Amino acid sequence: QVQLVQSGAEVKKPGASVKVSCKASGYTFTSYGISWVRQAPGQGLEWMGRFSVYNGHTDYAQKFQGRATMTTETSTSTASMELRSLTSDDTAFYYCARDRGTWVDSWGQGSLVTVSS
Amino acid sequence: EIVLTQSPGTLSLSPGERATLSCRTSQSVTSTYVAWYQQKPGQAPRLLFYGASSRATGVPDRFSGSGSETDFTLTISRLEPEDFAVYYCQLYGSSPTYIFGQGTKLEI
Repeated sequence: QVQLVQSGAEVKKPGASVKVSCKASGYTFTSYGISWVRQAPGQGLEWMGRFSVYNGHTDYAQKFQGRATMTTETSTSTASMELRSLTSDDTAFYYCARDRGTWVDSWGQGSLVTVSS
Repeated sequence: EIVLTQSPGTLSLSPGERATLSCRTSQSVTSTYVAWYQQKPGQAPRLLFYGASSRATGVPDRFSGSGSETDFTLTISRLEPEDFAVYYCQLYGSSPTYIFGQGTKLEI
């Protein structure tokens, strides 16, 4: 079955960077994109961006353009998302999800990133 | 930019009742681009519907999705205890981008 297993929780200081990984299994990694969605505590879902297999590009939500970098490593079926210049507003659960073009289906378990001095 | 508005914010019902959740878009959209997700406390979201009305694998048939243009609806015909959760609609927009509604909390 499709599984996305994410890296563990992180605590970072303001101004630092964090990198979250997402290891996929149970499907052909190169046939689907990976989207990243975050959720601040008690809040709704916010799409950050995705790697698209349809055009080979990485698309970012405008809010994260220049501050987030999303990559994939096909040899290990792993996707990663790095977010730089962290502030307390970046404290959230970060999810990876298999991208189907216009929706996402399987989700990782989430990685909690806490930004605190 | 298109805005999604879900209503109500909170819906209080009892098991066995019918639930109707609304998702409205600020402009007419292609129903192909609308999806619904369920999220329970402490869990990742789960896909329920894509293309507004195509049920995802494993979703019980008491759940149904419908709608077109600016009005989309998620209906649960007879609520089971495990259905109490937060529900999000999602739109695939230009840029490209995914836009999520603010969610409807379905509570007992």
